Amino acid sequence: EAQVTQNPRYLITVTGKKLTVTCSQNMNHEYMSWYRQDPGLGLRQIYYSMNVEVTDKGDVPEGYKVSRKEKRNFPLILESPSPNQTSLYFCASSLGGDTQYFGPGTRLTVL
Amino acid sequence: QKEVEQNSGPLSVPEGAIASLNCTYSDRGSQSFFWYRQYSGKSPELIMFIYSNGDKEDGRFTAQLNKASQYVSLLIRDSQPSDSATYLCAVKVVDSSYKLIFGSGTRLLVRP
Repeated sequence: EAQVTQNPRYLITVTGKKLTVTCSQNMNHEYMSWYRQDPGLGLRQIYYSMNVEVTDKGDVPEGYKVSRKEKRNFPLILESPSPNQTSLYFCASSLGGDTQYFGPGTRLTVL
Repeated sequence: QKEVEQNSGPLSVPEGAIASLNCTYSDRGSQSFFWYRQYSGKSPELIMFIYSNGDKEDGRFTAQLNKASQYVSLLIRDSQPSDSATYLCAVKVVDSSYKLIFGSGTRLLVRP
């Protein structure tokens, strides 16, 4: 089954404790992206990647890192999480940059 | 700052009616426009995309684009309670191959 998977789905952590949210797709898509969704603000792009080792900043990259060492994986790293990074995070992938397939989401709470 | 604006709603329509969802965007050079549906607690899923001025129909859904007015809309005919969801408008940034700006979404409620 073609899908985008994210782990964990739910995470509660404390300020400053490094964490990684994994994202994997099995559709051989070149493009992958991370979004955060907050009430009233909609989906905002954090980082995106056009291919292995090629990444670029979205609209809200501060406090986040990404890497794309393999085509299928695009982890999101929060080196020192803060409460304002409490949000719902979505990973998405796309073959040609238009039709995006979203993962199930990761709900992160930073205390 | 490129922006995509939507009325947050909720837009309430009776079952069987036409639901009209609207979106305006600030970047005059935008060429690619998308409508996503998001059920509560779920991830967004693509409903339609449109690139050219005019109408594009797919089943009960029609996307309408007016680049001169910087306006894109989604019509849902014969609305069903299962259409109740939040509808997100997205616009591809002109100078990027893979950067989308999303609106904050319009919540649609279809009353049985």
